[in-house]
Amino acid sequence: KQEVTQIPAALSVPEGENLVLNCSFTDSAIYNLQWFRQDPGKGLTSLLLIQSSQREQTSGRLNASLDKSSGRSTLYIAASQPGDSATYLCARSNDYKLSFGAGTTVTVRA
Amino acid sequence: GAGVSQSPRYKVAKRGQDVALRCDPISGHVSLFWYQQALGQGPEFLTYFQNEAQLDKSGLPSDRFFAERPEGSVSTLKIQRTQQEDSAVYLCASSPGGRPSAKNIQYFGAGTRLSVL
Repeated sequence: KQEVTQIPAALSVPEGENLVLNCSFTDSAIYNLQWFRQDPGKGLTSLLLIQSSQREQTSGRLNASLDKSSGRSTLYIAASQPGDSATYLCARSNDYKLSFGAGTTVTVRA
Repeated sequence: GAGVSQSPRYKVAKRGQDVALRCDPISGHVSLFWYQQALGQGPEFLTYFQNEAQLDKSGLPSDRFFAERPEGSVSTLKIQRTQQEDSAVYLCASSPGGRPSAKNIQYFGAGTRLSVL
């Protein structure tokens, strides 16, 4: 049972194109919304954390927005590179535990 | 400094065997979490420790699953009488804070991939 939905499940783009990854969640009473990256055979790396009082966070080429009222978050990756190829997971927290989406698998073609 | 370390990285078990998975959290981290990730899915919460106290075990699938953190650092997830449906990646995460906070980031280990034949 997933309370968090990510669309699309997979995405393939040419190098240099901007990426837009979507995440929706059903419960607006959240502490924070986090975006993670997962490489094959590896654990999760935290990319961005947006607190419930914030609307967006930025780190380098990454920008994540949060709209609690509509239950949505979007991760933007500017000027994609082959090294950005990975699975991106969003997770919401309303206490100490994280509820994850199934992820979006991104392939950036050189 | 060292991140979250999990061992073994891979485990193959015959159905019915007991297995033990180990997690070494980041030194000084108060909170420790176990998650189960099935193929093609996001991680699902299993259990949560604050120091040595197991505050939430609501995600454990059955009474065959048991977790402990006796000294508030290293944790072990034990699965008794393994079944094929237990095959998954088991992820451990730690967090410095002991109370729920909007700022708490969980740091994940690389996981243990369990295959039950």
